[in-house]
Amino acid sequence: GDSVTQMEGPVTLSEEAFLTINCTYTATGYPSLFWYVQYPGEGLQLLLKATKADDKGSNKGFEATYRKETTSFHLEKGSVQVSDSAVYFCALSSGNEKLTFGTGTRLTIIP
Amino acid sequence: KAGVTQTPRYLIKTRGQQVTLSCSPISGHRSVSWYQQTPGQGLQFLFEYFSETQRNKGNFPGRFSGRQFSNSRSEMNVSTLELGDSALYLCASSRGQGAPRDEQYFGPGTRLTVT
Repeated sequence: GDSVTQMEGPVTLSEEAFLTINCTYTATGYPSLFWYVQYPGEGLQLLLKATKADDKGSNKGFEATYRKETTSFHLEKGSVQVSDSAVYFCALSSGNEKLTFGTGTRLTIIP
Repeated sequence: KAGVTQTPRYLIKTRGQQVTLSCSPISGHRSVSWYQQTPGQGLQFLFEYFSETQRNKGNFPGRFSGRQFSNSRSEMNVSTLELGDSALYLCASSRGQGAPRDEQYFGPGTRLTVT
């Protein structure tokens, strides 16, 4: 079945540091890939998505590229801010409404 | 446009009781999905309803059930509560056309504590 393996956290970085959160997946066919973010006390918000190989999703300075050859969708940001502190989830969908999530990575940015 | 709303936001129940959670989707959305979020198991898919019919189902026992009404609002019910049912229950709504054509929007969740 579908599965997502995500970098273990927590991750603590200084403001303006470079961020990478690794994500790899296993799926049949050609899934769509997502990064969601969860701020304290809130639900999930879609951060970015990619729907086919070599697509790059981007939003708010975050980027991730759909790499079919390595079955990966790593999240990157060049310069993080304190406001980026949250839990980040990598997820996939194989064409229906069901999302399969990774375990989440808690990110803390210190000023 | 109003977002996905979930009621109640917090709930405390005792083992053996049952509970009903409610989700109102974004206007025009016909699909509602439910997820359970726990520290140990992470985010797990419970089920999805589309036009009042269960369309997808996760691997949860029969104590977990749901339904959807003609206005697309959805409820989920958990009977005979166990301590392990303590979790954040999230619902998500979409137009129901599936990825990649569609996007799901999540509510803030209902925090259920079973004592």
